[in-house]
Amino acid sequence: EPEVTQTPSHQVTQMGQEVILRCVPISNHLYFYWYRQILGQKVEFLVSFYNNEISEKSEIFDDQFSVERPDGSNFTLKIRSTKLEDSAMYFCASSEAHVGGYTFGSGTRLTVV
Amino acid sequence: TQLLEQSPQFLSIQEGENLTVYCNSSSVFSSLQWYRQEPGEGPVLLVTVVTGGEVKKLKRLTFQFGDARKDSSLHITAAQPGDTGLYLCAGAEYSGGYQKVTFGTGTKLQVIP
Repeated sequence: EPEVTQTPSHQVTQMGQEVILRCVPISNHLYFYWYRQILGQKVEFLVSFYNNEISEKSEIFDDQFSVERPDGSNFTLKIRSTKLEDSAMYFCASSEAHVGGYTFGSGTRLTVV
Repeated sequence: TQLLEQSPQFLSIQEGENLTVYCNSSSVFSSLQWYRQEPGEGPVLLVTVVTGGEVKKLKRLTFQFGDARKDSSLHITAAQPGDTGLYLCAGAEYSGGYQKVTFGTGTKLQVIP
């Protein structure tokens, strides 16, 4: 069964450093998303991406965040200058259509120290 | 920001018992999705309900979308230890050609053998 792949599974970084989280969505999917889940809290929407541009972003997705689809397969989330409060599980998801459910990856656990 | 409240937050039951999880909001959604999430993994889509009053069955799981499309319920019959996990409802809003999915607060279910 097709799946969304995320790397790395765990990333530890020092405060102020830049990190890039990588995702390979399902190949025939056109819509891509990033969500995050702080330990013990709800899954929060960060950004959606379609046709090589951001279609919607949340208040969390400020200037320190950016997304890119550098080639035909990867979808990346960059955090420019990490803060302690950025520590969370980051989930990438994709969908074939603009409606309906999403397929999520297994996540990247980001720990900022 | 749309708010989806789930109840109960935690549920611990014996194998074979029935249970119902509720998902409530003051907002109307285009559709509502249910996911199950296991520790260290991403949410996995169980079902999407679209029409007010719609009922969908997935083996021992029954999902209902409220008539006003503001609430939903998940009923599990004869729960099994394999049903243990975090159950998440997610409301989808559709505007401007794009869908935005907002997750609920989650219900953590433990089924004791």
